[in-house]
Amino acid sequence: RKEVEQDPGPFNVPEGATVAFNCTYSNSASQSFFWYRQDCRKEPKLLMSVYSSGNEDGRFTAQLNRASQYISLLIRDSKLSDSATYLCVVNGAGNFNKFYFGSGTKLNVKP
Amino acid sequence: DAGVIQSPRHEVTEMGQEVTLRCKPISGHNSLFWYRQTMMRGLELLIYFNNNVPIDDSGMPEDRFSAKMPNASFSTLKIQPSEPRDSAVYFCASSPNGQPQHFGDGTRLSIL
Repeated sequence: RKEVEQDPGPFNVPEGATVAFNCTYSNSASQSFFWYRQDCRKEPKLLMSVYSSGNEDGRFTAQLNRASQYISLLIRDSKLSDSATYLCVVNGAGNFNKFYFGSGTKLNVKP
Repeated sequence: DAGVIQSPRHEVTEMGQEVTLRCKPISGHNSLFWYRQTMMRGLELLIYFNNNVPIDDSGMPEDRFSAKMPNASFSTLKIQPSEPRDSAVYFCASSPNGQPQHFGDGTRLSIL
């Protein structure tokens, strides 16, 4: 079983739509969670950390559900510029320096 | 602030040749990671260093791959001999302990 699993998509949504991605992780002892964004032919970039209480950054909301071992990313009022691949990242339990990346969920926002 | 610097940006070489990829982490970051990304396999961690010491190299595909970090500001990933299946984008990333990683622009490697 993979450490981190994501639906690869693609999610095709119109501008202005709300879209949500989930990501499941296998190790219940993991402590750090992040969402990264990767544009085509570019490097992954940190989008936001995910905190236990949930957190928001503008149109983006991240949540953690420890009981079900998943994290989510909600994008409201999606823009064309949100089109990218979103990578879920979880650290290894017992090794806070080792991070596991999901394979990514591709989002296409269309006019 | 300078980010993670990788070189070369692109490398095209024939199979059997030695390939050396270079990385300069962000100053003050004590963890350095090498990843490989392909369409088929996604982003794979090859090896990571903490305070210049290799901690986990379980992702290194085989003995043809080796990585070194002689000091806090430089690391290399070497493939010898290279094979067409090594073609991928290789990313270097660095971070302070336990913090999110910052990625370099990557090296796009093509082995003919």
